[in-house]
Amino acid sequence: AQSVSQHNHHVILSEAASLELGCNYSYGGTVNLFWYVQYPGQHLQLLLKYFSGDPLVKGIKGFEAEFIKSKFSFNLRKPSVQWSDTAEYFCAALNTGNQFYFGTGTSLTVIP
Amino acid sequence: EPEVTQTPSHQVTQMGQEVILRCVPISNHLYFYWYRQILGQKVEFLVSFYNNEISEKSEIFDDQFSVERPDGSNFTLKIRSTKLEDSAMYFCASRTGGPGELFFGEGSRLTVL
Repeated sequence: AQSVSQHNHHVILSEAASLELGCNYSYGGTVNLFWYVQYPGQHLQLLLKYFSGDPLVKGIKGFEAEFIKSKFSFNLRKPSVQWSDTAEYFCAALNTGNQFYFGTGTSLTVIP
Repeated sequence: EPEVTQTPSHQVTQMGQEVILRCVPISNHLYFYWYRQILGQKVEFLVSFYNNEISEKSEIFDDQFSVERPDGSNFTLKIRSTKLEDSAMYFCASRTGGPGELFFGEGSRLTVL
């Protein structure tokens, strides 16, 4: 079955630390990849997306993600996190069958 | 900027009652989705809808659930006889055809007593 896996369930970092959240998908065909963020008490918002082209995509608030096809990965990175980045982060994939899959989410807590 | 709107923002109901959650997707979007999130847990897929029919549904989406697009603008989720475990935040989402991200509404919080 097609799926999206996020291996980090809960990450705790100090401000200014670097962040990398893992995401792997299982689908052999063309896939579009996304990272969403959910701030406490809010709805899901798009951080960034990859459709094609440059595998390194930049999103809002200094986030970026790299698509590595050979590893079926789309890890999210940020060089220096802030307290305001405390949130739940979801990786997602859209396949050619128009099926949209979410990972289980990674909870990020940034300590001031 | 166009957005997905959901009503009500919060509904409290008694167990066994019927509930209808309403969503107005973005007007030129073609695919519509319902997700739910039980407090403190992950976002769970319920159902996707395209071309006036369900295209995919999860195990959660049993006979107690139904979706409808009654008038070309609203997209509703009905729970026929609510259970305590239906208490959750329900998110509606929509997107255009082809590659494209989901746009989410702000959610409807359902509390079943």
